[in-house]
Amino acid sequence: AQSVTQLGSHVSVSEGALVLLRCNYSSSVPPYLFWYVQYPNQGLQLLLKYTSAATLVKGINDFEAEFKKSETSFHLTKPSAHMSDAAEYFCAVRGAGGTSYGKLTFGQGTILTVHP
Amino acid sequence: NAGVTQTPKFRVLKTGQSMTLLCAQDMNHEYMYWYRQDPGMGLRLIHYSVGEGTTAKGEVPDGYNVSRLKKQNFLLGLESAAPSQTSVYFCASSLGGAGGQNIQYFGAGTRLSVL
Repeated sequence: AQSVTQLGSHVSVSEGALVLLRCNYSSSVPPYLFWYVQYPNQGLQLLLKYTSAATLVKGINDFEAEFKKSETSFHLTKPSAHMSDAAEYFCAVRGAGGTSYGKLTFGQGTILTVHP
Repeated sequence: NAGVTQTPKFRVLKTGQSMTLLCAQDMNHEYMYWYRQDPGMGLRLIHYSVGEGTTAKGEVPDGYNVSRLKKQNFLLGLESAAPSQTSVYFCASSLGGAGGQNIQYFGAGTRLSVL
């Protein structure tokens, strides 16, 4: 079984400030981890993914995430927030085994608000 | 380059009515998925398919049925809609397999209200 916990359902930052969205996971097998972003009234778009290569993963729009096995975490960061980053962000985990059929388990989501 | 297309985008039903949501993908993906999204609960898997003619239950399958008669289409049916099925429904597709390239691509969603 696998699960994902996103700490903080709402995060508010000022434009230009550091963005930190927290994600902790549990998985019985080495996981694949993903961050997706959802802009208002749109579907989910992949930001970045961890697939057991480099532990620091870079994604689109200057987002990055670091896989820390000892902490079972995959926190998402961006050095400088932009107004256009306002959206809901989802962390998701997938087991690496073949029987997972690519099924994702999602966290509850974190709504990011960016203030001018 | 359409990707994953969902129809309709919005729908209002009365309790007890039935409807079918259509998902179409043009990426020749093997796997397809239906999720529902409710506030504070993330996305939960309803049903999925690992190939044409196959379907399987996900986390919250009750009250829903699916069919995958053609590889590019995945239909989600509600036989007798209930207010608890008011939600936003997302379809996704992926290449398949156990590797890191098995990434899910999502449609824009269908907003369903059941009165």
